[in-house]
Amino acid sequence: ETGVTQSPTHLIKTRGQQVTLRCSSQSGHNTVSWYQQALGQGPQFIFQYYREEENGRGNFPPRFSGLQFPNYSSELNVNALELDDSALYLCASSLDGNQPQHFGDGTRLSIL
Amino acid sequence: AQKITQTQPGMFVQEKEAVTLDCTYDTSDQSYGLFWYKQPSSGEMIFLIYQGSYDEQNATEGRYSLNFQKARKSANLVISASQLGDSAMYFCAMRGPAGGTSYGKLTFGQGTILTVHP
Repeated sequence: ETGVTQSPTHLIKTRGQQVTLRCSSQSGHNTVSWYQQALGQGPQFIFQYYREEENGRGNFPPRFSGLQFPNYSSELNVNALELDDSALYLCASSLDGNQPQHFGDGTRLSIL
Repeated sequence: AQKITQTQPGMFVQEKEAVTLDCTYDTSDQSYGLFWYKQPSSGEMIFLIYQGSYDEQNATEGRYSLNFQKARKSANLVISASQLGDSAMYFCAMRGPAGGTSYGKLTFGQGTILTVHP
């Protein structure tokens, strides 16, 4: 059974650009959540998808958007990148809302 | 709103000794879940242990146990027989009740860096 995988591992972008981060959920997991973790902080919830529908959103602007596909994999898109978007982006999947979330290794995004 | 507080920025423990990492929480929900995660320097977030708010017994998973004191709103993690590989950042997190707007969302504390000395 494969765990949660994220790509790419590292990414460098400049201000104003757009980025897409990808996540493959653990086999059978239909719920995917995305988190932003700034250096030295705890992760902050961005949004969650359940069966291809957004199912909850944290305090992030609309330029943070996402998708979930029929195979339950997911994308996080960020438009008009800002310096403060530099962070580790974590994807987590769970079997359903009642089960612990299992995290991927994250994508480290640096904005220059 | 839910809030998690971890008041220990850093903790040190001798190898083979036990250590307690503190976590207090604030919520108006009657039903909620509490989690502990370990994050090594490589960045991955590793699930350690879960406690439901209605669970009467403290959760245990191998060397990890959760000291749940509901009236005090605390959920401390106890690691017994510390190992060098336990050195990492530890996060306490909370999830809201089923059907609520915060159900799928984990609210994390600021974390505690644990260093295990040989």
